[in-house]
Amino acid sequence: EAGVTQSPTHLIKTRGQQATLRCSPISGHTSVYWYQQALGLGLQFLLWYDEGEERNRGNFPPRFSGRQFPNYSSELNVNALELEDSALYLCASSFWEANTEAFFGQGTRLTVV
Amino acid sequence: DAKTTQPPSMDCAEGRAANLPCNHSTISGNEYVYWYRQIHSQGPQYIIHGLKNNETNEMASLIITEDRKSSTLILPHATLRDTAVYYCIVRARRGSQGNLIFGKGTKLSVKP
Repeated sequence: EAGVTQSPTHLIKTRGQQATLRCSPISGHTSVYWYQQALGLGLQFLLWYDEGEERNRGNFPPRFSGRQFPNYSSELNVNALELEDSALYLCASSFWEANTEAFFGQGTRLTVV
Repeated sequence: DAKTTQPPSMDCAEGRAANLPCNHSTISGNEYVYWYRQIHSQGPQYIIHGLKNNETNEMASLIITEDRKSSTLILPHATLRDTAVYYCIVRARRGSQGNLIFGKGTKLSVKP
């Protein structure tokens, strides 16, 4: 069974541009979570989507946004990129019920220059 | 904010059991305890989770105290490949708090 897949693996953007990151969840999972991990730091919760709706949002500015499609895949968009947005962006998926594990992808390394 | 407290680092000798503690004194009745680990900027790997009973799988054992205010993750025979940052997380059963909030974790170093 395929795991959580993220694309692209690496992304280089210029300050002020927009970045789009994609995540395909494990088949059957309806929840998708996004996290940011800056170099040497912990995982910061960004967004949680389930059944196409935003369920919760971390403490990030509005230029971080996303959406979930009918097939449960998800996009994370980062507008007006800043140098501080350089980080590993991780996506995880799970069933809705909390008594199930969430599985992570290998992430997208975003570099803003 | 994370609802758990973990020691920042621990060492363990290869082949010995690694016991990683976690304090979650404010855990509520509808929250599970989850453990993940992250090896050098890879995606976090799920290890185990539980509600109130002790749990065991092929990777580890999870011991939760009777009052559920703390737990211990046990890796029975640590290997060098178990060197990683281990995260203890409490997660609500459902609702708006169902997402995983990571703390700083424990950096486990397994030494030969």
